[in-house]
Amino acid sequence: DVVLTQSPPSSPVSLGQPASISCRSSQSLVHGDGKTYLSWVHQRPGQPPKLLIYQISKRFSGVPDRFSGSGAGTDFTLRISRVEAEDAGIYYCTQGTLFPWTFGQGTKVEI
Amino acid sequence: QVQLVESGGGVAQPGGSLRLSCAASGFGFSGHGMHWARQGPGTGLEWVAYISWNGEATEYAGSVRGRFTISRDDSKNMLFLELESLRVEDTGIYYCVKEFSSGWTLEIWGQGKQVIVSS
Repeated sequence: DVVLTQSPPSSPVSLGQPASISCRSSQSLVHGDGKTYLSWVHQRPGQPPKLLIYQISKRFSGVPDRFSGSGAGTDFTLRISRVEAEDAGIYYCTQGTLFPWTFGQGTKVEI
Repeated sequence: QVQLVESGGGVAQPGGSLRLSCAASGFGFSGHGMHWARQGPGTGLEWVAYISWNGEATEYAGSVRGRFTISRDDSKNMLFLELESLRVEDTGIYYCVKEFSSGWTLEIWGQGKQVIVSS
C-alpha cells in the first residue's frame, strides 16, 4: 500500500501568517494516464472533510486562492499564504492513483 | 446542489452485521464512481471501498476485504455498504463520498453515520 507521511503533525500559526504542510509518498503517484491523483482535504471538528486541492495543484470550486498546492512524483506541499481563523482544523493529503487509496495521518493547524 | 445522506449503522456486537445506505441527489449518480471512507474515534481517515460508475468494478481496503460489500442501485440513486463479521476496530463514522468527474479524487462527502461495534 502507498504510505503518505505528513509533516508536521501540528502547526501553530498566527492569523495572517503563512503555513506549509508536507506530504511524502512511499512511491510515485503518477498514474498510468500521466496525471498525479494527489489531493488535499480539510476537516473541521465535527464536520466531514472538504476537498481543497486535487491533482497536486488545482483548487476545487470555491476554495480561496490563499490555498495552493505544489510538488511532483513523491513530494507534495500545501501552502496557505495568509492563515485565517476559518482555516483551523486538520488537513489530510490523499492519493487516488493506486488502490487501496490512502490518507496521510493528518496535520492539525491551530490558530 | 449535491447531497449525500447516510442512514443505517448503529450498534452491533463483534461478529455481527450492519448495513449502511447513502441517498444521493443533485448530480448524475449513475455516471459517477462512489466510495465509502471511515474515521475511527479520534483518529484519521481511512478509505474503505469503491464501486465504479456502472457497478462492474469494486475495490476494498485490506482491512475490510471479504467482510464488507459495496453495491449501488442507480434506479434509486442509492449506495450501500454491507458490513459483516464486524470487529471492534470497525467502530467509527462512515462517510459516503462522491468521486470527482475528473477522476480518482474524493470530491463531496456526506455528513457520516456512526457505527459502534461493542460487546
